[in-house]
Amino acid sequence: GAVVSQHPSWVICKSGTSVKIECRSLDFQATTMFWYRQFPKQSLMLMATSNEGSKATYEQGVEKDKFLINHASLTLSTLTVTSAHPEDSSFYICSADTGTGGLQPQHFGDGTRLSIL
Amino acid sequence: KQEVTQIPAALSVPEGENLVLNCSFTDSAIYNLQWFRQDPGKGLTSLLLIQSSQREQTSGRLNASLDKSSGRSTLYIAASQPGDSATYLCAVLSGGSYIPTFGRGTSLIVHP
Repeated sequence: GAVVSQHPSWVICKSGTSVKIECRSLDFQATTMFWYRQFPKQSLMLMATSNEGSKATYEQGVEKDKFLINHASLTLSTLTVTSAHPEDSSFYICSADTGTGGLQPQHFGDGTRLSIL
Repeated sequence: KQEVTQIPAALSVPEGENLVLNCSFTDSAIYNLQWFRQDPGKGLTSLLLIQSSQREQTSGRLNASLDKSSGRSTLYIAASQPGDSATYLCAVLSGGSYIPTFGRGTSLIVHP
């Protein structure tokens, strides 16, 4: 079945550091990838939709200059948290659309736990 | 705007019980509904996907039903095991959208 790989799985870094998270579709081409943020005991909050070769579409309230998204190829999207601060600490999850118009399940990465000291 | 509600928020049961998790949605014009499992600190694993034209899907001890007209889906887990302990999330893909709406999940603990 379709596999989405997310890396790294855990990051601990100092305040002010920029952190890059990668999301790769391993055995299919993903024209669209989604980035979510999840707070403890909460559901997933969509941050942005990433389309290959074009600018990401950000949800209301999400700072696009803070959370930089690049979808350079059909198998890779990256989320960069710029100048991270403790309030950015969270669990970030990506998912990839197989492009079948909802006929196939959405596939998610294993998530990245970001801890900013 | 689609809203998805999951009841109960948490559930603790002894091993062997049959369970029913509930998911309700406000807009019945859906394209599909998907159930996921999330283990602590992990991503989501797809369990079952029900298209809007389907009434149910089964995989092993899991059975998911869909009643679009009443805006409800149930996930039935037969003969629960400790390994079933996780959070179960329901996500609805509405017609005209490619972005699913998630419920807050049901946190399940199955104790030996």
